[in-house]
Amino acid sequence: SQQGEEDPQALSIQEGENATMNCSYKTSINNLQWYRQNSGRGLVHLILIRSNEREKHSGRLRVTLDTSKKSSSLLITASRAADTASYFCATTGTASKLTFGTGTRLQVTL
Amino acid sequence: DGGITQSPKYLFRKEGQNVTLSCEQNLNHDAMYWYRQDPGQGLRLIYYSQIVNDFQKGDIAEGYSVSREKKESFPLTVTSAQKNPTAFYLCASSINFMNTEAFFGQGTRLTVV
Repeated sequence: SQQGEEDPQALSIQEGENATMNCSYKTSINNLQWYRQNSGRGLVHLILIRSNEREKHSGRLRVTLDTSKKSSSLLITASRAADTASYFCATTGTASKLTFGTGTRLQVTL
Repeated sequence: DGGITQSPKYLFRKEGQNVTLSCEQNLNHDAMYWYRQDPGQGLRLIYYSQIVNDFQKGDIAEGYSVSREKKESFPLTVTSAQKNPTAFYLCASSINFMNTEAFFGQGTRLTVV
């Protein structure tokens, strides 16, 4: 079963614009992570936010977590063509399994 | 270089044959995972191992088997019982099983004909 669902499934923006992706999950979590996947490659870890944190920044990335709504958002500011990829949220809950969402495909055009 | 290595990158097998996918890490990580990814889909957990000589079924373990005899190695066997084995398989490892980032290999694309 997939714990998280990303929204939107696909997003197309122009270079320089901001991209926002959302993740909703079903059960209590210990932390939530965001990963990036270039086509046909492995995943790369972007950022981890713990259940007692509400916001976290890393470079052009901003992640928020609302445990009352069981949701998280990933904001990429000033997007670049190189940001084109699929983005996944992943949660670790009481069962301690790392469970991934369905992903958002981001296309950044020049 | 430290990292996690999957081999081979592409694998073709005939229907009814078992096939083993290799995953090796030199990061000294305790936890290792196998995921399956179908086109345009998210990752689904097949098996995971918290520590050497221990492993647990994930969400879609039927038709798969694993072993964890060494800390650095977590091979996945796709058996003939797996009804739809053609997929992209990803191996990952993390320092431990709780609350830490996972490092992924580059994946093995298995095609069964």
